[in-house]
Amino acid sequence: NAGVMQNPRHLVRRRGQEARLRCSPMKGHSHVYWYRQLPEEGLKFMVYLQKENIIDESGMPKERFSAEFPKEGPSILRIQQVVRGDSAAYFCASSPGQGGTEAFFGQGTRLTVV
Amino acid sequence: GENVEQHPSTLSVQEGDSAVIKCTYSDSASNYFPWYKQELGKRPQLIIDIRSNVGEKKDQRIAVTLNKTAKHFSLHITETQPEDSAVYFCAAYNNNDMRFGAGTRLTVKP
Repeated sequence: NAGVMQNPRHLVRRRGQEARLRCSPMKGHSHVYWYRQLPEEGLKFMVYLQKENIIDESGMPKERFSAEFPKEGPSILRIQQVVRGDSAAYFCASSPGQGGTEAFFGQGTRLTVV
Repeated sequence: GENVEQHPSTLSVQEGDSAVIKCTYSDSASNYFPWYKQELGKRPQLIIDIRSNVGEKKDQRIAVTLNKTAKHFSLHITETQPEDSAVYFCAAYNNNDMRFGAGTRLTVKP
């Protein structure tokens, strides 16, 4: 059973381009969380999704950011028209979501906007 | 939604001493409280967790206590070692929604 897989591990984008970050949850996990981590800082909640549903997106910036978790395929975090302030590590975590169980993290995607 | 506060933000101890990190949460319905350790450049990994029907749990040098009435929980590391140096995050979990504290950077000096 492979762990949570994120790709790419490193992503460099120029200002104004789009960034697409992918997260494949562990087998059997239907709940996905996305977090942003700035250097030397904590994990900031962005969005919580279940298959085909956004459950809580209260941590997502209102503009340029979107997330999806389709019935088939990985969860995608999409950042349009990236700016330098978007540079960070983006982690996803998955859980089976059955009444409080361990969430497993992916290795993260380090986004650098130049 | 749930709000988790964590203190201190940084903690420095001498090797062999104990370290205590404290968290409070806002939603009394939260029922699962994991602790994660994140080493530099790596992903957070679970080190211990506790459910709301238990007051204390221990695993070797690590223990977690939970006070549901006061809505706070703590991580205790005894006989600290340099390899315990990392960032530690607490989390509170309610209805499948998990929120983290801001993290504590622990440094264990040899």
